[in-house]
Amino acid sequence: SQKIEQNSEALNIQEGKTATLTCNYTNYSPAYLQWYRQDPGRGPVFLLLIRENEKEKRKERLKVTFDTTLKQSLFHITASQPADSATYLCADHRGANNLFFGTGTRLTVIP
Amino acid sequence: EAGVAQSPRYKIIEKRQSVAFWCNPISGHATLYWYQQILGQGPKLLIQFQNNGVVDDSQLPKDRFSAERLKGVDSTLKIQPAKLEDSAVYLCASSRGQIYGYTFGSGTRLTVV
Repeated sequence: SQKIEQNSEALNIQEGKTATLTCNYTNYSPAYLQWYRQDPGRGPVFLLLIRENEKEKRKERLKVTFDTTLKQSLFHITASQPADSATYLCADHRGANNLFFGTGTRLTVIP
Repeated sequence: EAGVAQSPRYKIIEKRQSVAFWCNPISGHATLYWYQQILGQGPKLLIQFQNNGVVDDSQLPKDRFSAERLKGVDSTLKIQPAKLEDSAVYLCASSRGQIYGYTFGSGTRLTVV
């Protein structure tokens, strides 16, 4: 069956370091992958979208890569700050514009 | 632009009771989604509307869940009767197209006791 998985449930890093989160997919090839941030008690907030024919996308301190050979997307936050602490969700498009979400990785940036 | 509005923010009901959630999407967004998010999991799609028509309700438990989007704007999601396993956050989202991402509301946290 088609699956999208975020292998790390939680990730702790020191302030100023680069956080790298992983999203893997199996048994299909999504046309798009999206990344969202979710804070406690709030809905997810859209961050970045990357298409299958794009290797990399950047937005300020954020960078997303898409490797169709490894069936993997990496999400990087450079110069991380405590305010970056949140749960980060990857999601892929299937069917008629539907998004399927991974379970998320809870990032904690330690001052 | 104003965000996606949802109400109520919290609801506690007893099992077998009914409950309804309301969503007002961003103006001009034709596509509206309802997601269920159980604690510790990612959001799971329940139903997708395009204007006032249903595009995908394959994961909606139709024996107890129903949803409508009258006039292609506001939407309501209803559960009747509720079960303990329906305890979750119900998120509404809208979008103007695939490449723009979804805008989510803050959700309704439902507790069934």
